[in-house]
Amino acid sequence: LAKTTQPISMDSYEGQEVNITCSHNNIATNDYITWYQQFPSQGPRFIIQGYKTKVTNEVASLFIPADRKSSTLSLPRVSLSDTAVYYCLVGPNQAGTALIFGKGTTLSVSS
Amino acid sequence: GAVVSQHPSRVICKSGTSVKIECRSLDFQATTMFWYRQFPKQSLMLMATSNEGSKATYEQGVEKDKFLINHASLTLSTLTVTSAHPEDSSFYICSARLPSGGRGVETQYFGPGTRLLVL
Repeated sequence: LAKTTQPISMDSYEGQEVNITCSHNNIATNDYITWYQQFPSQGPRFIIQGYKTKVTNEVASLFIPADRKSSTLSLPRVSLSDTAVYYCLVGPNQAGTALIFGKGTTLSVSS
Repeated sequence: GAVVSQHPSRVICKSGTSVKIECRSLDFQATTMFWYRQFPKQSLMLMATSNEGSKATYEQGVEKDKFLINHASLTLSTLTVTSAHPEDSSFYICSARLPSGGRGVETQYFGPGTRLLVL
């Protein structure tokens, strides 16, 4: 399974856009990229998922370049409640295959 | 998104006792569920893959006799921590993939977690 590398931590202020980049140099052809958010003492919450180009939903955007060796999660206008750990995971769309977690990025949003 | 529930949300037990944690997929059927463990300030570690109607597959280093997994139905998997010791104190999280019916990606959803404290 592809390994991912993310910044350990990031700081931001309320109202700013935050971009978290994840590198996954050995991503396989059948791998998808999924981002999760985790608050303390809670299970990870699904944010967004993509295979290539750009995906947008009501909470975030995911940018994936053509070579798919990296991806960027974009959180528009963050608030204090966005303070959390964000995980980038890469894995196949294959029943029975679990996602393997890396270290994640701790995002701290200040007022 | 799909809902995965866990029960109990937290449990405190004495050393040497066994603790059962339930994981349910509330609005979909899951032939496979996954169990993770998370220690403070660390990432999630996959413990095992639970398969409905067959034996679980354990990750290297996870004792299958210590962490008994039973996937009794398409919506329920249980993890039993047998003869629990203080070092088993952790945050246990289950997960399941939402079937796509062959029409897209099977997204993995996670339960809220169970905090186990062994005294």
